[in-house]
Amino acid sequence: SQTIHQWPATLVQPVGSPLSLECTVEGTSNPNLYWYRQAAGRGLQLLFYSVGIGQISSEVPQNLSASRPQDRQFILSSKKLLLSDSGFYLCAWSYRASSPLHFGNGTRLTVT
Amino acid sequence: AQSVTQPDIHITVSEGASLELRCNYSYGATPYLFWYVQSPGQGLQLLLKYFSGDTLVQGIKGFEAEFKRSQSSFNLRKPSVHWSDAAEYFCAVVSPLSGGYQKVTFGTGTKLQVIP
Repeated sequence: SQTIHQWPATLVQPVGSPLSLECTVEGTSNPNLYWYRQAAGRGLQLLFYSVGIGQISSEVPQNLSASRPQDRQFILSSKKLLLSDSGFYLCAWSYRASSPLHFGNGTRLTVT
Repeated sequence: AQSVTQPDIHITVSEGASLELRCNYSYGATPYLFWYVQSPGQGLQLLLKYFSGDTLVQGIKGFEAEFKRSQSSFNLRKPSVHWSDAAEYFCAVVSPLSGGYQKVTFGTGTKLQVIP
């Protein structure tokens, strides 16, 4: 069966510090991968998605970037965090088109 | 452009009572529809999905949803709510795009509170 791992579960970082959140998927190959952010009262916002190694698409301009160095690894990064980057970050995977997303347990990021 | 509306931000029901969470979508073709549940501090768990065929779909935890094309709705129901059902529920519509990608649009969620 497929599993998705996301870490860390919680993170407190000062403004201006770098960020690296990691997500890995097991039990499948060549999945679509996604990063979402969930801010209080604002629902789920798609940040990045990837259909293959090195293929990253960004949905919104922001202070964040994503990379997919391996087939089942998806990394969310920032060089300098802003207060507005605080939120709950969710990684997800899916098979190809028209299939449901499967989510990790999320990372609660607090920028102080 | 596709969109999903969950008109109820917050719903409170008594334990044992029936539940219906509303979801309306806007999409040009036959949609692929999903319902997810999120417990506090957790990721989203898939409850059920509709692709085609029977318009009444069964999911996990005793939930079901009915696709009504004429009303552009995909409402989630449960005959008898348990205290453990307290969570936030998200409706989503998926449309396939070229290159193996799909566009997923989520509603803003409905928070369910269950009272004794």
